[in-house]
This record gives sequence, C-alpha cells and structure tokens, in this order.
Amino acid sequence: DTGVSQDPRHKITKRGQNVTFRCDPISEHNRLYWYRQTLGQGPEFLTYFQNEAQLEKSRLLSDRFSAERPKGSFSTLEIQRTEQGDSAMYLCASSYSGGADTGELFFGEGSRLTVL
Amino acid sequence: AQSVTQLGSHVSVSEGALVLLRCNYSSSVPPYLFWYVQYPNQGLQLLLKYTTGATLVKGINGFEAEFKKSETSFHLTKPSAHMSDAAEYFCAVSESNAGNMLTFGGGTRLMVKP
Repeated sequence: DTGVSQDPRHKITKRGQNVTFRCDPISEHNRLYWYRQTLGQGPEFLTYFQNEAQLEKSRLLSDRFSAERPKGSFSTLEIQRTEQGDSAMYLCASSYSGGADTGELFFGEGSRLTVL
Repeated sequence: AQSVTQLGSHVSVSEGALVLLRCNYSSSVPPYLFWYVQYPNQGLQLLLKYTTGATLVKGINGFEAEFKKSETSFHLTKPSAHMSDAAEYFCAVSESNAGNMLTFGGGTRLMVKP
C-alpha cells in the first residue's frame, strides 16, 4: 500500500500525559499536513511542511503541540500535557508541489486521540 | 482569508432520488475547490476538484459539481442516489497560490433511505 499511513490509529491516554503520532506520507510527496477533526466538524488545519521546513502553523497549534519532519519524509506530532479538549481525530495528508500540482491532498485514515 | 459554508449538516434522500449538497465559499483569490467523502472509519477520499477550465467537473461514483463564480458556489450533485452513497461529505477551498492548505466546511452527512 503506497498511501498515507498513520500510527497509532487509536490512542487512549490520561490527562497530563504526552502522546506522539507518526505520519508516513506518499513517498514522492514533498508536502505534509496535519489537520484536527472533532466530532461533527470538518477538518481544521494545524500545520504543514514543505520537505523538512515547517512553513505554516495555525493558531490552533498551542505551545503544547509540536510537529517535526526531520528528514523531509515521515513526520511526528507530539502533544504534551494532554487535556480533555485535545480529544479528536488527527489527520495527516500529503501532496506534491510541482509542475503538475493540482492542489489535491491525500489523507491518511487518522489517529484518534481520547484523553480521559 | 478563505472560508466554506455547507448548508445542511444532514441531508436525507430516498434511493434513486437526486442528491444535492450545497457549498458556498469565500476567497480573495481564484479558488481551487474540492469535494471529499468520508466513510465511517476511513480517511477522506477525493470525489472531484475544480482548479481551472471547465466549470462543470465530474468525479467518481457519478458525482459532479459546478463552479459558479457569480454565486460563489460549488454544489455537489448526483442524479440518482445509491445506498452506498451514505457518508459524510466535505467541501473545501484552497487559494491557488497558498501552498495547498485546504479550508474545509463543517460537512454534510448524507443518509439514503431504501
């Protein structure tokens, strides 16, 4: 399978703990995005990378959140000192920017976080 | 800044009936417009997209959408609903020069009655 993969698919944690999610994009894609989706809502943009550079961060990304893409391939999203309000589905997407760029994002199946 | 409004968080149709899901957008530059579908426990899947050119775009599973600049709309239609169309549908916009950051609407859950 050469799609976007995310791990873990589901994480249950206690309030105050740290969690980390991993995303492996489609191999030839140079852009990687993180979105958050809460129940009954559309996905909300968190941040995106072009190669290893983090180019944009949403105001939703508080200082408890950090994202990295150290080698321009996979990415991690860490949430420190989790709060119940962090409970959501965290979606990763990737795309290719270049001559044939049509703006389409390819999404993974998401990592669902439940904070007790 | 860009935004998307999807009118109707829930739409119910009978099998075989017309499907119409509404989407209005705002964008300060020529937009790229998308419809994604999300089935339970699955990732978002692209149905169709408008970037430039023909304003009536056809997608997978018999869906199509028309870009109407004067109405700032990009409504999704399908002539005849099938039970397998039951899912959540999201309209999204990106500004064509903005690095593919999509802004999504709140979604419309489509229910299909037998």
